[in-house]
Amino acid sequence: TQLLEQSPQFLSIQEGENLTVYCNSSSVFSSLQWYRQEPGEGPVLLVTVVTGGEVKKLKRLTFQFGDARKDSSLHITAAQPGDTGLYLCAGPLRGATNKLIFGTGTLLAVQP
Amino acid sequence: GAGVSQSPSNKVTEKGKDVELRCDPISGHTALYWYRQRLGQGLEFLIYFQGNSAPDKSGLPSDRFSAERTGESVSTLTIQRTQQEDSAVYLCASSSGAGYGYTFGSGTRLTVV
Repeated sequence: TQLLEQSPQFLSIQEGENLTVYCNSSSVFSSLQWYRQEPGEGPVLLVTVVTGGEVKKLKRLTFQFGDARKDSSLHITAAQPGDTGLYLCAGPLRGATNKLIFGTGTLLAVQP
Repeated sequence: GAGVSQSPSNKVTEKGKDVELRCDPISGHTALYWYRQRLGQGLEFLIYFQGNSAPDKSGLPSDRFSAERTGESVSTLTIQRTQQEDSAVYLCASSSGAGYGYTFGSGTRLTVV
């Protein structure tokens, strides 16, 4: 069974701090996506990484796909209260590329 | 419309009643998905429609759950004889196809009392 485990589960930090959240699996994924979900809303796609070792930057967010394509990380520099939300990684199921499985999620709270 | 629209946004129902949830995807998106999200948890896949192909129903938790989609337009998720464990946010998403990210609606929060 393909699973995506995220850590930490919860993270509460002060504005201006840096943080990293992780998405790990024992399975290889052809690509991974990261979403952010705010309360009362659906998840919003942040980025897709497709190449092992790939690094993508989106303003203060840096996404990395592991060399073996089994893991990914999201690093946020100088966190702001607007970064608060549930961060989810997701990847296509082997043999069913149109269907995503989602990770367990990291709930981030950035205190002003 | 510009985004995925779901209705109702909130639904409170009595145990044993049937409910119908609606999803209006982005025009032109051939793929449509339903997921369930229990409080504080990740997303659980329910069902997937791709064009006129037979839907992938492998995630439906019981035969009380069913879904329909007319062509590449609106989809409805029906839960019969609701139980308290059905309480969750039901999220609909659409996409252009394999390899593309999903665009989610805001969800329907279902509470079974």
